[in-house]
Amino acid sequence: DIQMTQSPSSLSASVGDRVTITCRASQSISSYLNWYQQKPGKAPKLLIYTASSLQSGVPSRFSGSGSGTDFTLTISSLQPEDFATYYCQQSYSTLGLTFGGGTKVEIK
Amino acid sequence: QVQLVQSGAEVKKPGASVKVSCKASGYTVTGYYMHWVRQAPGQGLEWMGWINPNNGGTNYAQKFQDRVTMTRDTSISTAYMELSRLKSDDTAVYYCARESAGPRAFDIWGQGTMVTVSS
Repeated sequence: DIQMTQSPSSLSASVGDRVTITCRASQSISSYLNWYQQKPGKAPKLLIYTASSLQSGVPSRFSGSGSGTDFTLTISSLQPEDFATYYCQQSYSTLGLTFGGGTKVEIK
Repeated sequence: QVQLVQSGAEVKKPGASVKVSCKASGYTVTGYYMHWVRQAPGQGLEWMGWINPNNGGTNYAQKFQDRVTMTRDTSISTAYMELSRLKSDDTAVYYCARESAGPRAFDIWGQGTMVTVSS
């Protein structure tokens, strides 16, 4: 299976901060990378698909970039509702999909 | 609206089986693959496999190959995930998720079903 490594595993930030989360794949996955946001007790929510495409209804302060093995999720100006855990997911391997370990974004 | 509604929480003994249902509404269920993802308490997300509701074709993660069965009943727009020979570390929230947006990206999720395995 393709391993997905996220960093950091947690971070503290303030409202209005620019936040960057990194995801690295164990092999090249082209642009087959998705990002999700999950709040406690809730199902994940799709934010970004194929590395940089914004899912319908998701605020434009969220953006994604990267290709190959290195990817980034950026929140341009952190809002109170953005405190959550974020997961990357590779969709390159049609037979085995894998998620990163998650990044918890907490209030500073 | 488009939604997936899952069956309620289950408590099972080790060695038993559990079958979780996922009812789709607001869209044509045969048009989208359905995936299952689980999350152990305090842990990350783990993909289990998918079913093509159109023809019943399946693909399971290697870890679950010999214990999971995914089926569907298109007449009632419902997908099922059955996990057998349960162990304590199968205790988790199980989600169904629709594949849409980009390839193998999950745009609609069920609310989750908590399965507890305990003697």
